[in-house]
Formats: sequence, structure tokens, C-alpha cells
Amino acid sequence: RKEVEQDPGPFNVPEGATVAFNCTYSNSASQSFFWYRQDCRKEPKLLMSVYSSGNEDGRFTAQLNRASQYISLLIRDSKLSDSATYLCVVRTPGGYQKVTFGTGTKLQVIP
Amino acid sequence: DGGITQSPKYLFRKEGQNVTLSCEQNLNHDAMYWYRQDPGQGLRLIYYSQIVNDFQKGDIAEGYSVSREKKESFPLTVTSAQKNPTAFYLCASSMMGDPNEKLFFGSGTQLSVL
Repeated sequence: RKEVEQDPGPFNVPEGATVAFNCTYSNSASQSFFWYRQDCRKEPKLLMSVYSSGNEDGRFTAQLNRASQYISLLIRDSKLSDSATYLCVVRTPGGYQKVTFGTGTKLQVIP
Repeated sequence: DGGITQSPKYLFRKEGQNVTLSCEQNLNHDAMYWYRQDPGQGLRLIYYSQIVNDFQKGDIAEGYSVSREKKESFPLTVTSAQKNPTAFYLCASSMMGDPNEKLFFGSGTQLSVL
């Protein structure tokens, strides 16, 4: 089983739609969780951290379920500019803080 | 503006040649990392460094070498021993000590083999 798993997509959704991505992780000791956004052939950029209580940033909502070991990202009122690949990132304590990236979920918002 | 600068943006390597990718940061971050990204795959860690003059192998270090002579700089050399070097290389840095420490990335170098 991969340490961090994501549905690769692509998710093709119309403008204004609500879309949700899930990500599962295998190590129950994982401590910190993030969603990064990556545009084609560009560097990943932090979208938001994911907190135990769930958190929201404008149209974006992140949730963490430690019991089931998954995190989710919800995007409301999708914009064309949301088209990108969304990377789930998990940090686990270790000799150094081990960071594991998911393979990413591709989102295409269609006019 | 603080940030991470990678150069060059595109790099071509001939067979048997060593090439070096540059990574410089002015964020005063302690930790620096090199990742490789192949199409359809997640980022994979090549090397990381938590302090000057010290670095550790990541998951796919074979065929690569690094140095950390200055806090700001963490160059990556792709040696001739790396048989499949074509990939997108990303340098990152972070401030250590915070369990929620975030990674900041450079803009990447696309390496291709001639």
C-alpha cells in the first residue's frame, strides 16, 4: 500500500460546481497534513494546511479524519483558474520530519 | 523578496556527462531538499540537508550528489551514473523545529538527455 494515495483523476467539472478530493495515508503516526496546488511544469505551492478541527479558506475547505486516516479538500464554486493538480502531503515524525507526497489529483474546470 | 531560486530552468545533458543544478535561498531556512518529479508520479526525495556541511540520502539518491557549504546554497549534481535523469527537479526549503513547517519550492529545472 502506498504511503499516501490519491485518485489521479482527471476530474472534469463545469464552472460553479463543487468538487471534492480525498487522500488516504497509511502511517497512523503522521502528524501534519497539507494540500499543495501545482500547475503544469511549475513548482507546488501551498494551498492550505489541514487541521484536526477542519479549516476553511474562502471557497476551499479541508478536513482531516484521523480514525479513517484520510484528508479531504472541497472546492466550492469552481473557477477556471482552479484547474491544476492538487497534491496531498503528509508529514510523519522521524529522524527528520519525513514528508510524503501523493501523486496528485488533476482538476479541469470547464467553461 | 525572499525566496528560492533554481537555475537553469532547462538543462540538457549528454550521455556520460555530469551536470549541476543550482538552488539558492534567502529565507534563512535551515533545511533544504531536492526532489525529482516524473510524469504521473509524486515527488520523490533525492537528498536533504538540515544543517551546513551535513546532508542525508533520500529515497532515490543513487546517481546524484550534493553539497551544503553555505546555508543558502544546496547544489545537486546529476552524475553519469544516473541512467534515467530526464525529469523535473525541484528544490525546496523549510524552517526546522515547527511540526507544521511548510515547504517552499523553487520554480524547478527540467533536465533532458540529448
